Amino acid sequence: SQQGEEDPQALSIQEGENATMNCSYKTSINNLQWYRQNSGRGLVHLILIRSNEREKHSGRLRVTLDTSKKSSSLLITASRAADTASYFCAALGGGATNKLIFGTGTLLAVQP
Amino acid sequence: KAGVTQTPRYLIKTRGQQVTLSCSPISGHRSVSWYQQTPGQGLQFLFEYFSETQRNKGNFPGRFSGRQFSNSRSEMNVSTLELGDSALYLCASSWGDKASTDTQYFGPGTRLTVL
Repeated sequence: SQQGEEDPQALSIQEGENATMNCSYKTSINNLQWYRQNSGRGLVHLILIRSNEREKHSGRLRVTLDTSKKSSSLLITASRAADTASYFCAALGGGATNKLIFGTGTLLAVQP
Repeated sequence: KAGVTQTPRYLIKTRGQQVTLSCSPISGHRSVSWYQQTPGQGLQFLFEYFSETQRNKGNFPGRFSGRQFSNSRSEMNVSTLELGDSALYLCASSWGDKASTDTQYFGPGTRLTVL
């Protein structure tokens, strides 16, 4: 079963605009990670936010985490056509494990 | 540093056959996890290995098995293939056994088609 539900399922924007994707999860987490996947390929790690962090930045990416609402958001600023991909959040539970439980993903299309 | 490699990249099998997929983690990484990705079910966790020990297993039938070798390379095997096993199989590696701070790095995947 999947931990996270992502919203929206699909998003189409123009180059230069900002894109926001939301993720909700069900159980307590150790950290939450965001990944990008270009069509049918492997996942690329974007950013990791720990459960005791509220916001994190990496380049044009900004991630927020609200553990009280069990939700996270990924903001991509000044989007580019190359940002076109599927974006997944993945929750890591507690304990000695590397098991990630992925959300359903958001398909982002950036129109040039 | 070389990334995670998976072989083969593409595979076509027929129902009833078995298949073995291989994953070589990043040098120095000791943890390997496997995931199955399908359009209907999304990304599903299969199993996780650390230092040759299986630490976690997802909700998959016993036809799915795996192992990890002393050099951290991992293989997964699917016996008696079914049409529903058609998927992209992804392998991920990380350094330690606690991903609270470790980043997991994914390979390009093996696309398995069962006819």
